[in-house]
Amino acid sequence: DQQVKQNSPSLSVQEGRISILNCDYTNSMFDYFLWYKKYPAEGPTFLISISSIKDKNEDGRFTVFLNKSAKHLSLHIVPSQPGDSAVYFCAASYSNYQLIWGAGTKLIIKP
Amino acid sequence: GAVVSQHPSWVICKSGTSVKIECRSLDFQATTMFWYRQFPKQSLMLMATSNEGSKATYEQGVEKDKFLINHASLTLSTLTVTSAHPEDSSFYICSAKAQDRSSYEQYFGPGTRLTVT
Repeated sequence: DQQVKQNSPSLSVQEGRISILNCDYTNSMFDYFLWYKKYPAEGPTFLISISSIKDKNEDGRFTVFLNKSAKHLSLHIVPSQPGDSAVYFCAASYSNYQLIWGAGTKLIIKP
Repeated sequence: GAVVSQHPSWVICKSGTSVKIECRSLDFQATTMFWYRQFPKQSLMLMATSNEGSKATYEQGVEKDKFLINHASLTLSTLTVTSAHPEDSSFYICSAKAQDRSSYEQYFGPGTRLTVT
């Protein structure tokens, strides 16, 4: 049973435009959500997170939106840059325990 | 800050041999370390959670006698793949939680590519 879902395996966006990566979850007990970026043959790097008591968190070009009623979160990257091309993982946690990971979305930024 | 290293970055071994992978937190003390495995084009699969000085907690389906985890100090955890077989070939990644950082965040090592021939 997949508790965290990233339904788009890949996404292609023109450089300079907005990239929107989506993530859905099923467990209403999740209280913290994180986005990680991963390049091939490297470990994931933390990007941005959001607590369930908030609906938006912003850090530079990255903004995460949380819609608890829809059990949906999204990561917005604007403007998109070539270096943003990577696999993005959504992860969720509850009770400060392990992270539950989505399958990842491969973002391709076209020049 | 919050740098995690892994050694080796890649290893090739013969079937039946054992391989040890080290995970170190370089600039922080890690209360908890995690070991993940990633198959090509798939998500990260949590194998086990280890706390310093105690036995690791393995996820369902992960053989604890095959994947030995030792968390001897607050900066070092090791994963030993015993009697490796070709199906153990994978990308192994460790992560660590820092004592003095947001307790939800995990900091990842660069990964170790294991190929068993």
